[in-house]
Amino acid sequence: GAVVSQHPSRVICKSGTSVKIECRSLDFQATTMFWYRQFPKQSLMLMATSNEGSKATYEQGVEKDKFLINHASLTLSTLTVTSAHPEDSSFYICSATIPPEETQYFGPGTRLLVL
Amino acid sequence: TQLLEQSPQFLSIQEGENLTVYCNSSSVFSSLQWYRQEPGEGPVLLVTVVTGGEVKKLKRLTFQFGDARKDSSLHITAAQTGDTGLYLCAADNQGGKLIFGQGTELSVKP
Repeated sequence: GAVVSQHPSRVICKSGTSVKIECRSLDFQATTMFWYRQFPKQSLMLMATSNEGSKATYEQGVEKDKFLINHASLTLSTLTVTSAHPEDSSFYICSATIPPEETQYFGPGTRLLVL
Repeated sequence: TQLLEQSPQFLSIQEGENLTVYCNSSSVFSSLQWYRQEPGEGPVLLVTVVTGGEVKKLKRLTFQFGDARKDSSLHITAAQTGDTGLYLCAADNQGGKLIFGQGTELSVKP
């Protein structure tokens, strides 16, 4: 099956710093990747849709200047949390689809803790 | 806004018991997926149901898609401790986006 990786798996940072999270499709090319956020004991909430070679599409209520997304190649999308604050602490998960099917393959997630 | 209502949100049972998780919506979906997620990991796809009335079995797990394609259920027979986890239903919203139900936290005790 399709494999999606994320790096790092865990990150702890100080308030005010920026953190970059990578999402890679290991054995396929993904024109579209999705970024989700999940708080403890809650479901996944879609943050943005990342399209290779174009600007990301953000969901309502998600600040595009705070959560910078770059889909630089067909196998890599990055999410940068800028000027992170404790309330940004969460589990960030990416997914990728293999065209033309719509099944999303999820990465293992990145646990972000902002102190 | 399309919503997926999942119930129950929490379920704690003994090993060997049966259980059913429900996923309901007022919207019609072309397909619906069920995922299982363990702590600290990403969701893993269990099944996709596409046809109204469809029933799919995966060992002790039985998935059903409602005739009107608005609801779905997941039934686990003779639950095992290894079934413990968060079960999520999800459906295509638009443009390939998924909306997720609130999730069902299942705890199976020995």
